Amino acid sequence: AQKVTQAQTEISVVEKEDVTLDCVYETRDTTYYLFWYKQPPSGELVFLIRRNSFDEQNEISGRYSWNFQKSTSSFNFTITASQVVDSAVYFCALRNNNAGNMLTFGGGTRLMVKP
Amino acid sequence: EPEVTQTPSHQVTQMGQEVILRCVPISNHLYFYWYRQILGQKVEFLVSFYNNEISEKSEIFDDQFSVERPDGSNFTLKIRSTKLEDSAMYFCASSEGQGKETQYFGPGTRLLVL
Repeated sequence: AQKVTQAQTEISVVEKEDVTLDCVYETRDTTYYLFWYKQPPSGELVFLIRRNSFDEQNEISGRYSWNFQKSTSSFNFTITASQVVDSAVYFCALRNNNAGNMLTFGGGTRLMVKP
Repeated sequence: EPEVTQTPSHQVTQMGQEVILRCVPISNHLYFYWYRQILGQKVEFLVSFYNNEISEKSEIFDDQFSVERPDGSNFTLKIRSTKLEDSAMYFCASSEGQGKETQYFGPGTRLLVL
């Protein structure tokens, strides 16, 4: 069985603050893939990043960074110097290598960035 | 940049009616998926489709649902005899294939069953 938990249901920050969205996952597989998707108010799901279980290097893309730690089964997402346009629901998702292609999503974290 | 498209963007139907949701996956992708998101809840997997057949389905995907690739570009989800609880956003997604794990999602169809 696989499970993704995003304990923070809602976070509110003021523009330019840094914010970290937590994601904890459970899986019995040794090979798996982790994802983050952004769902802006318009409703679509926008792919942000994919991480393979055998690659624990952290990644930075502009104001976004991801911290993958297998030891704690976490794949956290940090937005530096947040902007109002970052306001959205962010979903973490997991795909096991041996469980077909289905993505298991966490419950999402609603991020509100206030001016 | 290639993207997944879905039609219609919104659909309102009466309980008991059949609906067909349409998707055009990214052209060189081989795997296709349907997910749904009940308002305010998480995104849930329904079904995956590869090589003209269902490769995986969830418990939600019962006999009320069916999928089809009627031609080389479209991928459809049919919901027979809709129920109130089928009201949700339905997302289509596609991925390139083995070793190319990222699923790209369409903008969704918001279905409202009255």
